[in-house]
Amino acid sequence: KAGVTQTPRYLIKTRGQQVTLSCSPISGHRSVSWYQQTPGQGLQFLFEYFSETQRNKGNFPGRFSGRQFSNSRSEMNVSTLELGDSALYLCASSYGTTGEAFFGQGTRLTVV
Amino acid sequence: GENVEQHPSTLSVQEGDSAVIKCTYSDSASNYFPWYKQELGKRPQLIIDIRSNVGEKKDQRIAVTLNKTAKHFSLHITETQPEDSAVYFCAAPYSSASKIIFGSGTRLSIRP
Repeated sequence: KAGVTQTPRYLIKTRGQQVTLSCSPISGHRSVSWYQQTPGQGLQFLFEYFSETQRNKGNFPGRFSGRQFSNSRSEMNVSTLELGDSALYLCASSYGTTGEAFFGQGTRLTVV
Repeated sequence: GENVEQHPSTLSVQEGDSAVIKCTYSDSASNYFPWYKQELGKRPQLIIDIRSNVGEKKDQRIAVTLNKTAKHFSLHITETQPEDSAVYFCAAPYSSASKIIFGSGTRLSIRP
Protein backbone atom coordinates (compact mmCIF):
# COMPACT_ATOMS: atom_id res chain seq x y z
CA LYS A 1 0.00 0.00 0.00
CA ALA A 2 1.42 3.36 -0.97
CA GLY A 3 2.00 5.82 1.84
CA VAL A 4 0.94 9.42 2.12
CA THR A 5 2.43 11.42 -0.73
CA GLN A 6 3.05 15.15 -0.61
CA THR A 7 4.12 17.27 -3.53
CA PRO A 8 6.24 19.16 -4.10
CA ARG A 9 8.94 18.26 -1.56
CA TYR A 10 10.59 21.66 -1.68
CA LEU A 11 9.38 25.12 -2.68
CA ILE A 12 10.95 28.54 -2.71
CA LYS A 13 8.59 31.49 -3.05
CA THR A 14 8.87 35.23 -2.63
CA ARG A 15 6.84 37.34 -0.26
CA GLY A 16 3.40 38.20 -1.55
CA GLN A 17 3.11 35.15 -3.79
CA GLN A 18 0.71 32.31 -3.22
CA VAL A 19 1.40 28.60 -3.06
CA THR A 20 -0.57 25.36 -3.36
CA LEU A 21 0.57 22.14 -1.71
CA SER A 22 -0.84 18.71 -2.46
CA CYS A 23 -1.43 15.63 -0.33
CA SER A 24 -2.52 12.21 -1.54
CA PRO A 25 -3.66 10.06 1.39
CA ILE A 26 -3.34 6.33 1.78
CA SER A 27 -5.96 4.55 -0.32
CA GLY A 28 -9.16 4.21 1.67
CA HIS A 29 -8.34 6.98 4.12
CA ARG A 30 -10.93 9.73 4.14
CA SER A 31 -9.52 12.03 6.80
CA VAL A 32 -6.66 14.38 5.93
CA SER A 33 -5.13 16.80 8.41
CA TRP A 34 -2.56 19.49 7.75
CA TYR A 35 0.14 20.71 10.13
CA GLN A 36 2.78 23.41 10.06
CA GLN A 37 6.07 22.41 11.66
CA THR A 38 8.62 25.01 12.70
CA PRO A 39 11.58 24.64 15.08
CA GLY A 40 10.12 27.02 17.60
CA GLN A 41 6.43 26.10 17.43
CA GLY A 42 6.41 22.35 16.91
CA LEU A 43 3.47 20.85 15.03
CA GLN A 44 0.65 23.36 14.68
CA PHE A 45 -2.77 22.14 13.53
CA LEU A 46 -4.03 23.88 10.38
CA PHE A 47 -7.21 22.04 9.40
CA GLU A 48 -8.80 18.64 8.92
CA TYR A 49 -10.95 17.39 6.07
CA PHE A 50 -13.24 14.40 5.84
CA SER A 51 -15.30 13.49 2.80
CA GLU A 52 -14.64 16.87 1.17
CA THR A 53 -15.77 18.82 4.27
CA GLN A 54 -13.57 20.87 6.54
CA ARG A 55 -14.44 19.62 10.00
CA ASN A 56 -11.87 21.49 12.04
CA LYS A 57 -9.67 24.53 11.71
CA GLY A 58 -6.71 25.72 13.73
CA ASN A 59 -5.74 29.24 14.73
CA PHE A 60 -4.25 30.41 11.47
CA PRO A 61 -5.18 33.49 9.46
CA GLY A 62 -7.56 33.28 6.52
CA ARG A 63 -4.59 33.31 4.14
CA PHE A 64 -4.37 29.59 4.87
CA SER A 65 -7.08 27.56 3.18
CA GLY A 66 -7.61 24.07 1.97
CA ARG A 67 -9.91 21.70 0.22
CA GLN A 68 -10.46 18.03 -0.32
CA PHE A 69 -11.53 16.29 -3.49
CA SER A 70 -13.85 13.35 -3.97
CA ASN A 71 -10.86 10.98 -4.18
CA SER A 72 -9.74 12.25 -0.74
CA ARG A 73 -6.72 14.08 -2.14
CA SER A 74 -6.28 17.39 -0.41
CA GLU A 75 -4.66 20.69 -1.21
CA MET A 76 -3.73 23.59 0.96
CA ASN A 77 -3.21 27.10 -0.29
CA VAL A 78 -1.38 29.99 1.29
CA SER A 79 -1.94 33.40 -0.22
CA THR A 80 0.10 36.56 0.22
CA LEU A 81 3.07 34.68 1.60
CA GLU A 82 5.03 36.12 4.51
CA LEU A 83 8.56 35.30 5.66
CA GLY A 84 7.09 33.66 8.76
CA ASP A 85 5.27 31.11 6.61
CA SER A 86 8.57 29.35 5.98
CA ALA A 87 8.10 25.91 7.49
CA LEU A 88 7.66 22.23 6.86
CA TYR A 89 4.04 21.51 5.98
CA LEU A 90 2.94 18.01 6.85
CA CYS A 91 -0.26 16.24 6.01
CA ALA A 92 -1.52 13.13 7.73
CA SER A 93 -4.23 10.72 6.72
CA SER A 94 -6.27 8.32 8.79
CA TYR A 95 -9.02 5.84 8.12
CA GLY A 96 -11.54 6.97 10.70
CA THR A 97 -12.08 9.78 13.12
CA THR A 98 -9.54 8.63 15.70
CA GLY A 99 -6.83 6.20 15.00
CA GLU A 100 -3.32 6.10 13.70
CA ALA A 101 -2.51 9.07 11.51
CA PHE A 102 0.10 8.43 8.84
CA PHE A 103 2.23 11.39 7.89
CA GLY A 104 3.62 12.33 4.51
CA GLN A 105 7.23 13.43 4.16
CA GLY A 106 6.18 17.05 4.04
CA THR A 107 6.70 20.04 1.80
CA ARG A 108 9.43 22.39 2.89
CA LEU A 109 8.39 25.91 2.00
CA THR A 110 10.91 28.72 2.06
CA VAL A 111 9.68 32.27 1.64
CA VAL A 112 12.32 34.81 0.65
CA GLY B 1 -7.41 26.47 26.10
CA GLU B 2 -6.41 24.44 23.10
CA ASN B 3 -3.19 23.10 24.52
CA VAL B 4 -1.15 19.99 25.12
CA GLU B 5 1.78 20.71 27.40
CA GLN B 6 4.81 18.46 27.11
CA HIS B 7 7.84 18.20 29.40
CA PRO B 8 10.78 18.16 29.29
CA SER B 9 11.74 19.85 26.04
CA THR B 10 15.11 18.08 26.04
CA LEU B 11 16.19 14.91 27.79
CA SER B 12 19.57 13.20 27.84
CA VAL B 13 19.90 9.74 29.36
CA GLN B 14 22.63 7.13 29.57
CA GLU B 15 22.20 4.18 27.26
CA GLY B 16 20.36 1.46 29.13
CA ASP B 17 18.59 3.85 31.49
CA SER B 18 14.91 4.78 31.33
CA ALA B 19 13.36 7.93 29.88
CA VAL B 20 10.04 9.47 30.87
CA ILE B 21 8.17 12.19 28.98
CA LYS B 22 5.04 13.76 30.42
CA CYS B 23 2.08 15.52 28.85
CA THR B 24 -0.97 17.34 30.12
CA TYR B 25 -4.09 17.95 28.07
CA SER B 26 -6.95 20.36 28.54
CA ASP B 27 -10.07 18.81 26.99
CA SER B 28 -11.65 16.44 29.51
CA ALA B 29 -13.57 14.76 26.68
CA SER B 30 -10.34 13.62 25.00
CA ASN B 31 -10.25 9.86 24.62
CA TYR B 32 -7.31 9.07 22.34
CA PHE B 33 -3.66 9.79 23.12
CA PRO B 34 -1.01 8.93 20.54
CA TRP B 35 2.76 9.30 20.77
CA TYR B 36 4.87 9.99 17.70
CA LYS B 37 8.60 9.67 17.13
CA GLN B 38 10.32 11.90 14.60
CA GLU B 39 13.89 11.13 13.62
CA LEU B 40 15.99 13.84 12.06
CA GLY B 41 14.79 14.67 8.56
CA LYS B 42 11.99 12.13 8.67
CA ARG B 43 8.24 12.19 9.11
CA PRO B 44 6.59 11.62 12.51
CA GLN B 45 5.60 7.99 13.07
CA LEU B 46 3.21 6.55 15.63
CA ILE B 47 4.98 4.46 18.25
CA ILE B 48 2.17 3.79 20.70
CA ASP B 49 -1.29 5.08 21.55
CA ILE B 50 -3.77 4.66 24.35
CA ARG B 51 -7.50 5.12 24.64
CA SER B 52 -9.27 6.46 27.69
CA ASN B 53 -10.76 3.13 28.72
CA VAL B 54 -7.34 1.83 29.88
CA GLY B 55 -4.77 3.23 32.26
CA GLU B 56 -1.64 1.67 30.82
CA LYS B 57 -0.44 0.08 27.62
CA LYS B 58 2.89 -1.58 26.94
CA ASP B 59 4.71 -2.57 23.78
CA GLN B 60 8.12 -4.13 24.42
CA ARG B 61 10.34 -1.33 25.83
CA ILE B 62 7.70 1.37 25.43
CA ALA B 63 4.77 2.02 27.74
CA VAL B 64 2.20 4.77 28.08
CA THR B 65 0.22 5.59 31.20
CA LEU B 66 -2.92 7.69 31.41
CA ASN B 67 -4.45 9.50 34.38
CA LYS B 68 -7.78 10.87 33.19
CA THR B 69 -8.58 12.54 36.49
CA ALA B 70 -5.42 14.61 36.38
CA LYS B 71 -5.46 14.84 32.56
CA HIS B 72 -1.90 13.53 32.40
CA PHE B 73 -0.32 10.91 30.20
CA SER B 74 3.27 9.78 30.03
CA LEU B 75 5.63 7.86 27.79
CA HIS B 76 8.13 5.49 29.37
CA ILE B 77 11.06 4.03 27.44
CA THR B 78 13.10 1.41 29.25
CA GLU B 79 16.57 0.05 28.43
CA THR B 80 17.18 2.97 26.06
CA GLN B 81 19.26 2.39 22.96
CA PRO B 82 21.03 4.79 20.56
CA GLU B 83 18.22 4.38 18.01
CA ASP B 84 15.80 5.86 20.53
CA SER B 85 17.41 9.27 19.94
CA ALA B 86 14.72 11.39 18.26
CA VAL B 87 12.06 14.00 18.96
CA TYR B 88 8.96 12.60 20.63
CA PHE B 89 5.53 14.23 20.40
CA CYS B 90 2.46 13.54 22.45
CA ALA B 91 -0.96 14.47 21.09
CA ALA B 92 -4.59 14.64 22.13
CA PRO B 93 -7.89 15.63 20.54
CA TYR B 94 -9.30 19.03 21.36
CA SER B 95 -13.03 19.87 21.10
CA SER B 96 -13.39 17.31 18.33
CA ALA B 97 -12.12 13.77 17.98
CA SER B 98 -10.60 14.63 14.63
CA LYS B 99 -8.72 17.76 15.77
CA ILE B 100 -5.46 16.34 17.09
CA ILE B 101 -3.25 18.83 18.90
CA PHE B 102 0.42 18.04 19.42
CA GLY B 103 2.69 18.84 22.31
CA SER B 104 5.79 20.91 21.67
CA GLY B 105 8.08 17.88 21.48
CA THR B 106 10.89 16.35 23.54
CA ARG B 107 14.33 15.92 22.04
CA LEU B 108 15.69 12.69 23.54
CA SER B 109 19.41 12.00 23.33
CA ILE B 110 20.92 8.70 24.37
CA ARG B 111 24.49 8.94 25.67
CA PRO B 112 26.73 5.93 24.89
